[in-house]
Amino acid sequence: AQRVTQPEKLLSVFKGAPVELKCNYSYSGSPELFWYVQYSRQRLQLLLRHISRESIKGFTADLNKGETSFHLKKPFAQEEDSAMYYCALRRMNRDDKIIFGKGTRLHILP
Amino acid sequence: ETGVTQSPTHLIKTRGQQVTLRCSSQSGHNTVSWYQQALGQGPQFIFQYYREEENGRGNFPPRFSGLQFPNYSSELNVNALELDDSALYLCASSPMAGELFFGEGSRLTVL
Repeated sequence: AQRVTQPEKLLSVFKGAPVELKCNYSYSGSPELFWYVQYSRQRLQLLLRHISRESIKGFTADLNKGETSFHLKKPFAQEEDSAMYYCALRRMNRDDKIIFGKGTRLHILP
Repeated sequence: ETGVTQSPTHLIKTRGQQVTLRCSSQSGHNTVSWYQQALGQGPQFIFQYYREEENGRGNFPPRFSGLQFPNYSSELNVNALELDDSALYLCASSPMAGELFFGEGSRLTVL
């Protein structure tokens, strides 16, 4: 069965420090990986997806198939990065459903 | 361009009752997915509809059912409500195999 694991419920980082939100997955097929973000009082929205290889708001994530990981990184945290972050996996070539991890709350300290 | 809208935003029901939640998809999207988000948890996949047919289901009992209409709007129905059904229910629309666009959710409280 497929699973997405985010080991940290809460991550506190000082402004200007590097950020790394961890995500590991298990899926025997070919996955597509995403990071979704929910800022305070806003709806859940896409931050980035691995196939686009973009950097959004300074965040990047590289799919490591050997380690089955898709960690989210940013070199210098900003206060506006405080939010709830969810890693998600799509089951490609099956029903294309997207499953989510439990989320990590990122708190940027001034 | 109109985003995904859900109704009602909040509702309270008692055990054993039935509830219907509604979702209007974003224009041009033919796929709708429903998620249950309990407090402190990530969204749990309930099911997905593509062109009015269910084409994926999570680990939810049959008392959770849905519909997608020709205009791609959707309903989630839950029968015989239980206390554990209390949660935020999220609807998300997408073009097939595309990015999910979420609504703000319907918060259901079961007493």
